[in-house]
Amino acid sequence: AQKITQTQPGMFVQEKEAVTLDCTYDTSDPSYGLFWYKQPSSGEMIFLIYQGSYDQQNATEGRYSLNFQKARKSANLVISASQLGDSAMYFCAMRGLYSGAGSYQLTFGKGTKLSVIP
Amino acid sequence: DGGITQSPKYLFRKEGQNVTLSCEQNLNHDAMYWYRQDPGQGLRLIYYSQIVNDFQKGDIAEGYSVSREKKESFPLTVTSAQKNPTAFYLCASSLDRGSTDTQYFGPGTRLTVL
Repeated sequence: AQKITQTQPGMFVQEKEAVTLDCTYDTSDPSYGLFWYKQPSSGEMIFLIYQGSYDQQNATEGRYSLNFQKARKSANLVISASQLGDSAMYFCAMRGLYSGAGSYQLTFGKGTKLSVIP
Repeated sequence: DGGITQSPKYLFRKEGQNVTLSCEQNLNHDAMYWYRQDPGQGLRLIYYSQIVNDFQKGDIAEGYSVSREKKESFPLTVTSAQKNPTAFYLCASSLDRGSTDTQYFGPGTRLTVL
């Protein structure tokens, strides 16, 4: 079974500063993918960034980067230069390759609510 | 514009009624998914389909049914057997290419049982 843990229910960050959202995971799959999604108040889940378990380098997408520490089973999201529009729920998710009948589903954490302060 | 559409945005249902939520995608994706989100929670998988005329149960399929008659469409029916159907429902689709596969989501339908 796969499990995602996000220990920060809510976070505050000053505009233009960087913020790190924590995510730890547990899986027995040898190969897996890690994802971060943003959910604004409108409800739609917006894909932000992906990290493969065998990727040598940390993923980056614009102001988003993923601090991947495989030995510690952590995949923290770093948002640089925060903007007011970054205020939203952020979900960490993972997908395993060899999970049998469940191999095609994403397992989500409970999310972190980020509030950007002007 | 390619994307995923869900309708309606808001849906109200009386107890004992079945309702169907629509999900359509024009991304030419093979796989489609239905998730349920309760307040303060992450998403939980209801059903998924990797190919037309085939679908699999997720973690919380009881009280729900789906069909996949066309590649573009994956409607979800919330039946009267679903004991607590009030929730936010999200549809997603993907190319279905293994662990690197990224799922893209529609705008969601908020269902309220009166």
